[in-house]
Amino acid sequence: GDSVTQMEGPVTLSEEAFLTINCTYTATGYPSLFWYVQYPGEGLQLLLKATKADDKGSNKGFEATYRKETTSFHLEKGSVQVSDSAVYFCALRDANDYKLSFGAGTTVTVRA
Amino acid sequence: DGGITQSPKYLFRKEGQNVTLSCEQNLNHDAMYWYRQDPGQGLRLIYYSQIVNDFQKGDIAEGYSVSREKKESFPLTVTSAQKNPTAFYLCASSSTGGSQKLFFGSGTQLSVL
Repeated sequence: GDSVTQMEGPVTLSEEAFLTINCTYTATGYPSLFWYVQYPGEGLQLLLKATKADDKGSNKGFEATYRKETTSFHLEKGSVQVSDSAVYFCALRDANDYKLSFGAGTTVTVRA
Repeated sequence: DGGITQSPKYLFRKEGQNVTLSCEQNLNHDAMYWYRQDPGQGLRLIYYSQIVNDFQKGDIAEGYSVSREKKESFPLTVTSAQKNPTAFYLCASSSTGGSQKLFFGSGTQLSVL
């Protein structure tokens, strides 16, 4: 079945550092790919998405490109802030299904 | 404001007790979902429903039950058969369509007394 594997955390960075969280997927069809973010004590919020190969999703300075050849959707941000401290989840949804399959989540802590 | 409301925020279960978690949405979404979140394991799908009066088991449905009598509501019952119920439970909804995003509630933390 469909699955997502993302980089294990936790990740600790200084403010203004570069952030990369790796995400790879396994799917039989052509899934849509998502990054969700969870702030402490809250539910998840959609950060960005891409629906087809070579699409780039972007939001709040974060970017991720749908790479079909490497089955990857790595999340990047050039200069992180303390407010970016959260848990980040990579997810996929098969085109023929409504379910989302999530990765294990990566906890990111940004220090001032 | 449109959104998803989960209640209660914290819930405690005694041995052998069934408890029900509430999830209500006013987004007019057809699809609703229940996920369980454990530390280091990400989110796992318990049940989902694509339409009123219909629902399907997810990856970890054993020990749980749901109903979908109204479009707005998708309550989850954690039964006494669920031997390890302590977790953070998240409800979500979406419109139909492959690329539609999920909207999440703020979650219910269930603990065993």
